[in-house]
Amino acid sequence: QQPVQSPQAVILREGEDAVINCSSSKALYSVHWYRQKHGEAPIFLMILLKGGEQKGHDKISASFNEKKQQSSLYLTASQLSYSGTYFCGTVRGGAQKLVFGQGTRLTINP
Amino acid sequence: NAGVTQTPKFRVLKTGQSMTLLCAQDMNHEYMYWYRQDPGMGLRLIHYSVGEGTTAKGEVPDGYNVSRLKKQNFLLGLESAAPSQTSVYFCASRANPNNVLTFGAGSRLTVL
Repeated sequence: QQPVQSPQAVILREGEDAVINCSSSKALYSVHWYRQKHGEAPIFLMILLKGGEQKGHDKISASFNEKKQQSSLYLTASQLSYSGTYFCGTVRGGAQKLVFGQGTRLTINP
Repeated sequence: NAGVTQTPKFRVLKTGQSMTLLCAQDMNHEYMYWYRQDPGMGLRLIHYSVGEGTTAKGEVPDGYNVSRLKKQNFLLGLESAAPSQTSVYFCASRANPNNVLTFGAGSRLTVL
């Protein structure tokens, strides 16, 4: 029941763009995005609560396509600080549990 | 304001031993979760609780038990540890289903 993330890993040069996808086989109520640095706890990036909703701050944004049961995270003009593993978490309607995908490792090189 | 505190941070067990991981939050959150993290597997939900006195199974509950006797504490127990339970365990909490999940720093458990 874990959502599926793609790609599993991405290597970029500083300033390049990246897209991380998250897909579910079940209808979704909301999608959460978190980033984790090595050896640290995941930290919150954003929550998308409505189908079609797009949110963002700085150069990181996300969309949620309720019909397709998927979400995408967009990183524009990537910075070295964006390196880490990105997780999407999904919540199905009526359920309180938050289930995460397997993660996407993003490496930004100078 | 400590947020979510996990104890212990590190522990080494022998196969068959038992132990309890403690998660404490001071944010008055209703929802609490235990996840395990293994390389390439992401964060997998073990058990969760939607309020004091309640617990529910997650995706990988076998071999674990939990209790939520007090709202601020969520305990994860291993009755008979196995090498397959070697992992990093994260506790997390949030006020309601639409809120941010706040994670603890993690507990690294090694079972020999």
